[in-house]
Amino acid sequence: NAGVTQTPKFRVLKTGQSMTLLCAQDMNHEYMYWYRQDPGMGLRLIHYSVGEGTTAKGEVPDGYNVSRLKKQNFLLGLESAAPSQTSVYFCASSSTGGVQPQHFGDGTRLSIL
Amino acid sequence: EDQVTQSPEALRLQEGESSSLNCSYTVSGLRGLFWYRQDPGKGPEFLFTLYSAGEEKEKERLKATLTKKESFLHITAPKPEDSATYLCAADQIQGAQKLVFGQGTRLTINP
Repeated sequence: NAGVTQTPKFRVLKTGQSMTLLCAQDMNHEYMYWYRQDPGMGLRLIHYSVGEGTTAKGEVPDGYNVSRLKKQNFLLGLESAAPSQTSVYFCASSSTGGVQPQHFGDGTRLSIL
Repeated sequence: EDQVTQSPEALRLQEGESSSLNCSYTVSGLRGLFWYRQDPGKGPEFLFTLYSAGEEKEKERLKATLTKKESFLHITAPKPEDSATYLCAADQIQGAQKLVFGQGTRLTINP
């Protein structure tokens, strides 16, 4: 019973490098989300998706791109990493129908040097 | 602007010492108020959803309550394993459940 799985768990990048974070869920959820968590800031929504093939901007989308080619996967890309993107990134998913809780993965810890 | 504020930022209690965590929200059209628990190095784990003022939910030593402006997480006779960061989040918009999170309260229970 995996739930939401994020890969990789840790990564160190140099400024200007690119990378993709992968999120996979096995709960058949329609909605998926990417957040970043920084000390004292709480969780902030980067992008989200309401279904396969759809994406939308959240609160802090600049510098990130996302894709949802398959219902179970949601990818977060950093095209040209900056030190300000050093953070812990969390993926979440939720089902439709009323007010549903979001289920989170265990995060990717990303450092940009 | 929609906002969720939690207090205190950190709380240290002795085992068995009951207390409450506060979550104040200013969100137009609240659809639901969520409480999560987050352990170090882990993602948030869902605890409760509250939908309307006056509602209460309980789970073991935890009880969550909701008013029109704030929510409380009451911890009764806590144990060291209750140590964690507790997050609250408000569901603010229809469609995809876009949550506004508070900064969290870091709770430490000393044996």
